[in-house]
Amino acid sequence: QQQVKQSPQSLIVQKGGISIINCAYENTAFDYFPWYQQFPGKGPALLIAIRPDVSEKKEGRFTISFNKSAKQFSLHIMDSQPGDSATYFCAATGMDTGRRALTFGSGTRLQVQP
Amino acid sequence: ETGVTQSPTHLIKTRGQQVTLRCSSQSGHNTVSWYQQALGQGPQFIFQYYREEENGRGNFPPRFSGLQFPNYSSELNVNALELDDSALYLCASSLGRVAGALGELFFGEGSRLTVL
Repeated sequence: QQQVKQSPQSLIVQKGGISIINCAYENTAFDYFPWYQQFPGKGPALLIAIRPDVSEKKEGRFTISFNKSAKQFSLHIMDSQPGDSATYFCAATGMDTGRRALTFGSGTRLQVQP
Repeated sequence: ETGVTQSPTHLIKTRGQQVTLRCSSQSGHNTVSWYQQALGQGPQFIFQYYREEENGRGNFPPRFSGLQFPNYSSELNVNALELDDSALYLCASSLGRVAGALGELFFGEGSRLTVL
């Protein structure tokens, strides 16, 4: 029940295009959903996060869409740039662990071609 | 303000040996969490330390242990190393125990452990 399923495993997008990464979860106790960006040789860095009381959150070119009934959430990167090429992880946590532990998806390797 | 620093960055051990990894938390952060990231996978929660006590643990055996010191730095110790322990070990610091409440997790660059 702790699993977060992420797709696709890899994604190639042209510069200026939209990148979409999807995640699904089973644990209904999850109530906080961050997305992390990881460049090679670096640790993950928080990109954007959402709570289930809203259906969408936008920060610059990055948008999270959240569907509570379907237990799915997605990351949209608008006007994708070569500098966005990285691995993206969705994650979730909830009060069943006191929000002490993040459960991560398996990651999506994004390549934005110039 | 310094970020999260980890040492060593890379190390190679043989099966059965023991290893200690170190982490200095970001200035002002009182909570340290450790994650294991196998190649091509997402990080997996090992445990969290708050005010020098373990207060959350993932599905890892007791041979994974840790410490947090009064300055909030931390160590991860792994005994009786197995081949499957080969991974990137990430330390993350935060202000407070609850993700997203008082502050986010800030990850270091990790220690890459290879077990032969």
